[in-house]
Amino acid sequence: SQKIEQNSEALNIQEGKTATLTCNYTNYSPAYLQWYRQDPGRGPVFLLLIRENEKEKRKERLKVTFDTTLKQSLFHITASQPADSATYLCALDPWGSNYQLIWGAGTKLIIKP
Amino acid sequence: DAGVIQSPRHEVTEMGQEVTLRCKPISGHDYLFWYRQTMMRGLELLIYFNNNVPIDDSGMPEDRFSAKMPNASFSTLKIQPSEPRDSAVYFCASSAQGSLAGGPETQYFGPGTRLLVL
Repeated sequence: SQKIEQNSEALNIQEGKTATLTCNYTNYSPAYLQWYRQDPGRGPVFLLLIRENEKEKRKERLKVTFDTTLKQSLFHITASQPADSATYLCALDPWGSNYQLIWGAGTKLIIKP
Repeated sequence: DAGVIQSPRHEVTEMGQEVTLRCKPISGHDYLFWYRQTMMRGLELLIYFNNNVPIDDSGMPEDRFSAKMPNASFSTLKIQPSEPRDSAVYFCASSAQGSLAGGPETQYFGPGTRLLVL
C-alpha cells in the first residue's frame, strides 16, 4: 500500500542543538516533497519544497534533503529554539503535477530551554 | 492579503443536523482544497477544485458530504445529515498556478473549522 511514515513519537531536543526529522515513503516516485509546520489550533504552514532532482534545500536555519533511492527526506533545524516547537508534516504528490498531496501523520518537536 | 478565511471557526451540532462550512480562498488562487484532520487518520484530502470546477472528489467519505464552488472567492462543504464520526477539524487550502512564491504545489491553509457532532 502507499504510505508516508514520520516518527510518531515526540522528539525532544535541547535548545541550540540540531533537530532532525525523518519522512519515509513507499511505492511512490514523487516529483517533489514538501514540509509544513503546524501549531496547535492552526492550519499547516508551508516551509520548504524539494524536487526530485535536488539533493538539498536550505532556508535560514532549515535544511531539507531528499534521497529518492532511499525514499527518504530529512528535515533539519539548526540552532533550535523553543519557538521551533510544533508538529512538522511532510507531504508529497504521488501522481506528479496535479497537486493532490498525501500527508504524513507529523512529528511533534519539543525544544527544551 | 488576509489569507484563507474559514467560517465558522467552531461548530457544535447534534447528530442528524445539516452542517455548512465556508471558505474564502486567497484572491487570485485557482486551486481550492478541502481537508479533514483527525488524530486517528491525520490530514485527508476530501475534494479539490481548479478554476471552480471539482477535479477529484474521491476523498469524500460518502454521499452525506458535498462541496460547491460557485465562484472564485467562495466554497462550501456541506454535511447532511451529520454523524458523530464526522467530528474533526476541517481545513480549506488554496494555491496558485504559476505562483512566484512557491509554485502551485504550495498550499496555503485557513485556520480550520472545529466540528463536534453530538
